[in-house]
Amino acid sequence: DAKTTQPNSMESNEEEPVHLPCNHSTISGTDYIHWYRQLPSQGPEYVIHGLTSNVNNRMASLAIAEDRKSSTLILHRATLRDAAVYYCILRDWGDSSYKLIFGSGTRLLVRP
Amino acid sequence: NAGVTQTPKFRVLKTGQSMTLLCAQDMNHEYMYWYRQDPGMGLRLIHYSVGEGTTAKGEVPDGYNVSRLKKQNFLLGLESAAPSQTSVYFCASRTGQGDNQPQHFGDGTRLSIL
Repeated sequence: DAKTTQPNSMESNEEEPVHLPCNHSTISGTDYIHWYRQLPSQGPEYVIHGLTSNVNNRMASLAIAEDRKSSTLILHRATLRDAAVYYCILRDWGDSSYKLIFGSGTRLLVRP
Repeated sequence: NAGVTQTPKFRVLKTGQSMTLLCAQDMNHEYMYWYRQDPGMGLRLIHYSVGEGTTAKGEVPDGYNVSRLKKQNFLLGLESAAPSQTSVYFCASRTGQGDNQPQHFGDGTRLSIL
């Protein structure tokens, strides 16, 4: 499985945008980019995913570099509830088990 | 909506004891997964199932067994618990429809082995 690299931690102020980077230089053409987050004392929850084009949903936006070797999760206005560990995960669309391989993620701290 | 329910939420065992963790989902999902999460680390996949009656090994399967006798339930067993298995265990499920549907996670079982 191709690996991802994320900063261990980031800080943001409440109501400001947050850009969470992810490097995946060995990504293959069949890898989707998934983001999950894990709030304290909870299981992970899905945030967003993409393949080549930028994606938006009600939670966040995903910006994917043209060469696909990096991506950025964008939270447009951080709230205290967004404090969590964010995981960037590559999933091969040819893997019929749909399993996810988690890294250590980025811990986001949001200052009031 | 119940979603994914894990039982029990907390448990303390002595080394050598056995126990079974239960995961139940009410979403009629085909796929189910068991992960463990050690402090400060990401989740690691133990075993998974792509349908009723099937199981497969993940990244860290040693010391665990699983069964999927009913579609809605996925059981994780520890036959002889060891302190190294102290962890938080998460179960997840996923529909079989669609290529990029998300996994839905339970709230975890915190297991301590003395």
